[in-house]
Amino acid sequence: AQRVTQPEKLLSVFKGAPVELKCNYSYSGSPELFWYVQYSRQRLQLLLRHISRESIKGFTADLNKGETSFHLKKPFAQEEDSAMYYCALSRSGNTGKLIFGQGTTLQVKP
Amino acid sequence: EAGVAQSPRYKIIEKRQSVAFWCNPISGHATLYWYQQILGQGPKLLIQFQNNGVVDDSQLPKDRFSAERLKGVDSTLKIQPAKLEDSAVYLCASSLAQGAGEQYFGPGTRLTVT
Repeated sequence: AQRVTQPEKLLSVFKGAPVELKCNYSYSGSPELFWYVQYSRQRLQLLLRHISRESIKGFTADLNKGETSFHLKKPFAQEEDSAMYYCALSRSGNTGKLIFGQGTTLQVKP
Repeated sequence: EAGVAQSPRYKIIEKRQSVAFWCNPISGHATLYWYQQILGQGPKLLIQFQNNGVVDDSQLPKDRFSAERLKGVDSTLKIQPAKLEDSAVYLCASSLAQGAGEQYFGPGTRLTVT
């Protein structure tokens, strides 16, 4: 069965420090991986997806099939990055159904 | 463009009562999803529609949950009778097409069952 694991419920860093939000998945095929973000009092929204290989708001994520990971990274955290981050998986060629991890709260302190 | 709309935003009911949630997706989006998000967990898909047909309802507790999308636009999710463990946020999302990648989420309905 497909599964997404985010081992940290809370990650607290100071402004300007590097950030890495961990995401591991289990799936035997070729997955599509996403990071969704929910800022305070806002809707859940897409941050980035692995196939686009973009950097959004300074965040990047690389799919490592050998380690079955899709960690989200940013070299210098900003206070406005404070939010709940969800890693999600969709099976390639699938209906689009997303399987979400439990989420990690990122708290960036001034 | 207008986003996904949901109502009500909050609902409190007693166990064994019934409740219904409404969702209006982004105009032109063929695919509609209902997710259940229990506190401290990520969203879990309950049901997916492609136009007015069901694509995936494998995790919908069909003895008490039902959903419809009669004209391929708006959708309603119903719970009857509600249990305490149904307390959650119910999220509606839509996408242009099946497997289209980005899903656009509504604000959610927070249900409390007492």
